[in-house]
Amino acid sequence: DTGVSQDPRHKITKRGQNVTFRCDPISEHNRLYWYRQTLGQGPEFLTYFQNEAQLEKSRLLSDRFSAERPKGSFSTLEIQRTEQGDSAMYLCASSPMGTSGPGEQFFGPGTRLTVL
Amino acid sequence: SQQGEEDPQALSIQEGENATMNCSYKTSINNLQWYRQNSGRGLVHLILIRSNEREKHSGRLRVTLDTSKKSSSLLITASRAADTASYFCATALRGANNLFFGTGTRLTVIP
Repeated sequence: DTGVSQDPRHKITKRGQNVTFRCDPISEHNRLYWYRQTLGQGPEFLTYFQNEAQLEKSRLLSDRFSAERPKGSFSTLEIQRTEQGDSAMYLCASSPMGTSGPGEQFFGPGTRLTVL
Repeated sequence: SQQGEEDPQALSIQEGENATMNCSYKTSINNLQWYRQNSGRGLVHLILIRSNEREKHSGRLRVTLDTSKKSSSLLITASRAADTASYFCATALRGANNLFFGTGTRLTVIP
């Protein structure tokens, strides 16, 4: 399967702990996105990479959140000092470079985070 | 707040019937996309319609876009039990790099 993969699929942690998620996009895709989805809601944008450059961050992305995409390949999303409100599904998506605006995005299966 | 809002929030139909979902948005868009999400396959792209297009078809799917009313509709014809899922519209705003998703319509197709 050459789709977007995410690891781990599930993470349970205690409040105050740090967690890190990994996303492997489709190999030829330049663009990589992180979204967060809570129950009954649509995904909410967190951050966007074009190759290795982080070009956009949502105001949802507090200073406890950091994302990287070294070498423009896989990406990691780290949450420090987790809070119960961080419990959500974290989705990664990738897309090829388009001529204008975001086109079709290919989503991974997500990492479900539960903060106790 | 999220850009798109779907209507209805939930829809239940018999297999073979058509399902229509609507999406309204607030600002000028570059394109509008529809996605499906179920527990088995995650979030999957269905169709993209650009701001200069009015209608688009893909298999049993028909999407319309009315930029004057800032609204879109997704029609699924001859529904199947496998169409049971949540459907989201997502807008790509002019000059933005990301998508803004609505709250979704939960479709249940009864066999």
